[in-house]
Amino acid sequence: EVQLVESGGGLVQPGGSLGLSCAASGFTFRIHWMTWVRQAPGKGLEWVADINEDGSEKYYVDSVKGRFTVSRDNAKNSLYLQMNSLRVEDTAIYYCARRKVISGVRTLDVWGQGTMVTVSS
Amino acid sequence: DIVMTQSPLSLPVTPGEPASISCRSSQSLLHSNGFNYLDWYLQKPGQSPQLLIYLGSNRASGVPDRFSGSGSGTDFTLRISRVEAEDVGVYFCMQGIQSPLTFGQGTKLEIK
Repeated sequence: EVQLVESGGGLVQPGGSLGLSCAASGFTFRIHWMTWVRQAPGKGLEWVADINEDGSEKYYVDSVKGRFTVSRDNAKNSLYLQMNSLRVEDTAIYYCARRKVISGVRTLDVWGQGTMVTVSS
Repeated sequence: DIVMTQSPLSLPVTPGEPASISCRSSQSLLHSNGFNYLDWYLQKPGQSPQLLIYLGSNRASGVPDRFSGSGSGTDFTLRISRVEAEDVGVYFCMQGIQSPLTFGQGTKLEIK
């Protein structure tokens, strides 16, 4: 079964750090771009970051540039998001998602169940 | 950034009746390769989003054929030919032609 399972969410104070993980199974992880998307409570979806197949290309939404770092370990079939200098407005469910394997297409065809990050004092 | 605007934001539907959701983009989503970089996702209550339609009109694997996507350029429509109870949730459109990826606000479909 194709599956993505996020972990690492929790409660953190403003200015703190948190690391999220996403474990992939049931497919060839190393051939897919991967994406992080977040959803603030009761709100819509916001793209956060992309990483290419071998981790050499990374892209971020402006609001997290310089604070968040996306990475992957293809040997462990895992995707990561290191979040530093967290702000209240980073509070959200964070989803990892797989990009469909069609060159240049950014369709997200598999999503994890999400992990909740709460930034509050 | 490309702005995605959905309508309506709330859609009450009687089971067995059709439904349609509109999605408009602030810039054309038609790529030079002829494909429209527009996807539709459904987020059922308490679940993560799931892919319904990609590249404007292609149903994802396992998606019932009562779902269809159409449109080109800046105007797109998701249609459900006969709504079923399991179709409740929030429908999002997403553009993938330009970074950053952006999503519509979501349309909440509920059963009357």
